Amino acid sequence: EVQLVESGGGLVQPGRSLRLSCAASGFTFDDYAMYWVRQAPGKGLEWVSGITWNSGSLGYADSVKGRFTISRDNAKNSLYLQMNSLRAEDTALYFCAKAIGYSSGGYYFDYWGQGTLVTVSS
Amino acid sequence: DIQMTQSPSSLSASVGDRVTITCRASQNIRSYLNWYQHKPGKAPKLLIYAASSLQSGVPSSFSGSGSGTHFTLTISSLQPEDFATYYCQQSYSNPPTFGPGTKVHIK
Repeated sequence: EVQLVESGGGLVQPGRSLRLSCAASGFTFDDYAMYWVRQAPGKGLEWVSGITWNSGSLGYADSVKGRFTISRDNAKNSLYLQMNSLRAEDTALYFCAKAIGYSSGGYYFDYWGQGTLVTVSS
Repeated sequence: DIQMTQSPSSLSASVGDRVTITCRASQNIRSYLNWYQHKPGKAPKLLIYAASSLQSGVPSSFSGSGSGTHFTLTISSLQPEDFATYYCQQSYSNPPTFGPGTKVHIK
């Protein structure tokens, strides 16, 4: 059974840092790209960042570029999100998601974790 | 970035009703469109990928159609467990973008 379990969220002051983790199990982790998606209170889903299976390609939303860093440790079946210079608008439930491609070139998120809540407030 | 819109933003329906949700893309995304169901406190769940392919384990009461810029998600007979928020998402180009969601309420 595929499981994705996020951790590391919490209450943090503006300007401070936080590191999120996502522990994966039930599939061959280093075969798949992985993503972070967030949901601010009362809002919809927003893609944050993605990383290919071998960390060869990374992507970031404009809203977090230069402040957040995605990484993975395939030996530990883990995905990370280092969040620096946090702002109030980063307050959200952060989900990790496993991505799978289909033959014509698109992809979708077939499994998601339940999320970890990040609250940025003084 | 490709903008995704959904209509309606919310709807009220009864068990057994047929429900249709529309998703539109700001440019042609061919069939690179996925649908998710999300309930509070739960992990989002993939329903449909590539516009019309049913994810394994998802009831056949869910179906998707469309291509280009106009897509629909249909629930043929609404069940109590289907009350949730539904999101479309395009993967035609980066960044992947989601629609704002359609919340399905119990009437």
